[in-house]
Amino acid sequence: SYELTQPLSVSVALGQTARITCGGNNIGSKNVHWYQQKPGQAPVLVIYRDSNRPSGIPERFSGSNSGNTATLTISRAQAGDEAAYYCQVWDSSTVVFGGGTKLTVL
Amino acid sequence: QVQLVQSGAEVKKPGASVKVSCKASAYSFTGYYMHWVRQAPGQGLEWMGWINPNSGGTNYAQKFQGRVTMTRDTSISTAYMELSRVKSDDTAVYYCSRGDVGDFMVWGRGTLVTVSS
Repeated sequence: SYELTQPLSVSVALGQTARITCGGNNIGSKNVHWYQQKPGQAPVLVIYRDSNRPSGIPERFSGSNSGNTATLTISRAQAGDEAAYYCQVWDSSTVVFGGGTKLTVL
Repeated sequence: QVQLVQSGAEVKKPGASVKVSCKASAYSFTGYYMHWVRQAPGQGLEWMGWINPNSGGTNYAQKFQGRVTMTRDTSISTAYMELSRVKSDDTAVYYCSRGDVGDFMVWGRGTLVTVSS
């Protein structure tokens, strides 16, 4: 079965740029979606189809996908960005989530 | 606005079944697949499967096949997820989510299911 690998945690200084990776075999050939989840809340879609932002998501959130790695980039990180982030793809008619990355804003 | 409203928290004994509902509003219920995703305490997101509300067709994650049943009632725009023979490690928050073009834009608030003797 297809697997997505994310780092358990990423730290970023306030106002700096955070990059969260999502690794998978030839993931560049798939559409990757990213979710933000804060404690006690449902996930929120922040990037869809590799690099598109839903309405209401700040331009500070961007995404890219190539080869074996997809990346979520958060520019000018704010305290409110502290959350868990999950990548997601479809593979063989099933949905696969990455294990999640806890982003800490210092 | 588009909304998914889930049923309330449940406490079940091991071996019992639990059924969670998800009522959709402000969009065409039969126009989008409904997915179920669960999250154990302190853990990540785990996809369980989907139901096509139009046809009733389903696709379950292999892990849950034989234990999960997803159904719908189109007259009240409601999807259901029933998990049988629950165990302690089925304790989790269960989310319904509307499937869009491969992604999940709309989520319910989640239903906590606790399995305890």
